[in-house]
Amino acid sequence: DIQMTQSPSSLSASVGDTVTITCRASQTIDNFLNWYQFKPGKAPKLLIYSTSNLQTGVPSRFSGSGSGTHFTLTISSLQPEDFATYYCQQSYHLLTFGGGTKVEI
Amino acid sequence: EVQLVESGGGLVQPGRSLRLSCAAAGFTFDDFAMHWVRQVPGKGLEWVAGISWGSAVATYADSVKGRFTISRDNAKNSLYLQMDSLRLEDTAFYHCAKVLHSETYWGSFDSWGQGTLVTVSS
Repeated sequence: DIQMTQSPSSLSASVGDTVTITCRASQTIDNFLNWYQFKPGKAPKLLIYSTSNLQTGVPSRFSGSGSGTHFTLTISSLQPEDFATYYCQQSYHLLTFGGGTKVEI
Repeated sequence: EVQLVESGGGLVQPGRSLRLSCAAAGFTFDDFAMHWVRQVPGKGLEWVAGISWGSAVATYADSVKGRFTISRDNAKNSLYLQMDSLRLEDTAFYHCAKVLHSETYWGSFDSWGQGTLVTVSS
């Protein structure tokens, strides 16, 4: 199975900050990497698909990059509604998720 | 607007069965593969099972293979997960999820339900 390692597991930031979350795959996954936002009591939200494609309706302050085994999610100018937990997911072989990154105030 | 609403969760003893349902609306259900993903409260996410648009293909995580069965009724716009021989470690929120592109089985999930909680305990 492909293992996905996210870092950091949590971080503290302020409104207006730029935040970067990293996801590493245990083997190459080409660009089959997706990012999600989870908030308690709400349906999860797809942010980025295929490494760098912004999902419809997602603000442009979210961006993704990477290839092979190393990927990043960047949130520019953090907004109050961005405080949440973020997960990466590979879809190269079956589906596995990273351990999550909680973005706190 | 796409809506996915899960139901059927609850408290169940180890070894017993439970059937989850997911009611879909707002899109052409039979054009898309569907999946179940679970989240242990306070912990990570695990893909559980997937099914193709016409039910020809069904795939399972090793942790549930032989115990869980995914199915769908396109006439009712509904997805199901039959869970048998439940174990303590099956305790989780179970989400149904829709793939982003109609031509794919695997990939990203652009719509999720809020989840239904399954608690396996004696």
